[in-house]
Amino acid sequence: NAGVMQNPRHLVRRRGQEARLRCSPMKGHSHVYWYRQLPEEGLKFMVYLQKENIIDESGMPKERFSAEFPKEGPSILRIQQVVRGDSAAYFCASSPQSYNSPLHFGNGTRLTVT
Amino acid sequence: GIQVEQSPPDLILQEGANSTLRCNFSDSVNNLQWFHQNPWGQLINLFYIPSGTKQNGRLSATTVATERYSLLYISSSQTTDSGVYFCAANSLKETSGSRLTFGEGTQLTVNP
Repeated sequence: NAGVMQNPRHLVRRRGQEARLRCSPMKGHSHVYWYRQLPEEGLKFMVYLQKENIIDESGMPKERFSAEFPKEGPSILRIQQVVRGDSAAYFCASSPQSYNSPLHFGNGTRLTVT
Repeated sequence: GIQVEQSPPDLILQEGANSTLRCNFSDSVNNLQWFHQNPWGQLINLFYIPSGTKQNGRLSATTVATERYSLLYISSSQTTDSGVYFCAANSLKETSGSRLTFGEGTQLTVNP
């Protein structure tokens, strides 16, 4: 039973380019969460999605960042016009239901902006 | 939202020693998890423990929900236990699913 799959593991982008991070939740999980970990810091919540719906995006920066979880396919976190401050590890987690269930995390995508 | 505080922030041990990590949270919880982030950055789920006590090998955890704290015990520590240990909690009042709020972590170094 595969866990949460994130790709790519490492992503290098130049300033101004776009970054697309993918997350396939565990089988049977329809709830996806994205977190960001800046260097030497803890994980900060970004966005919570269910299939085709954004439930809570209170942790997302107001500009350049967007997320989706389509009916078919993985969840995508998209960062447009990346800047050096976007360099971080981005983790995705999934759960089978809204409440009273643990989150299962992927191995993260490490984004480096040069 | 819920506040999660971990202590100590840093801990250095000799191999074979025991340790206790603490997590205080500011609200009643319906989810509490402990994670180990290894030196390669991977986040490993240790325990899902909103209440009670669980054990897994040399690790065990206890959550006293009524007093709003959780403890992670590491016995006979090994160098491979090094890394950052995170506590994360989800408030009963949370309206955003199982969203977790993370503490700042305890950086554990186990020396041979």
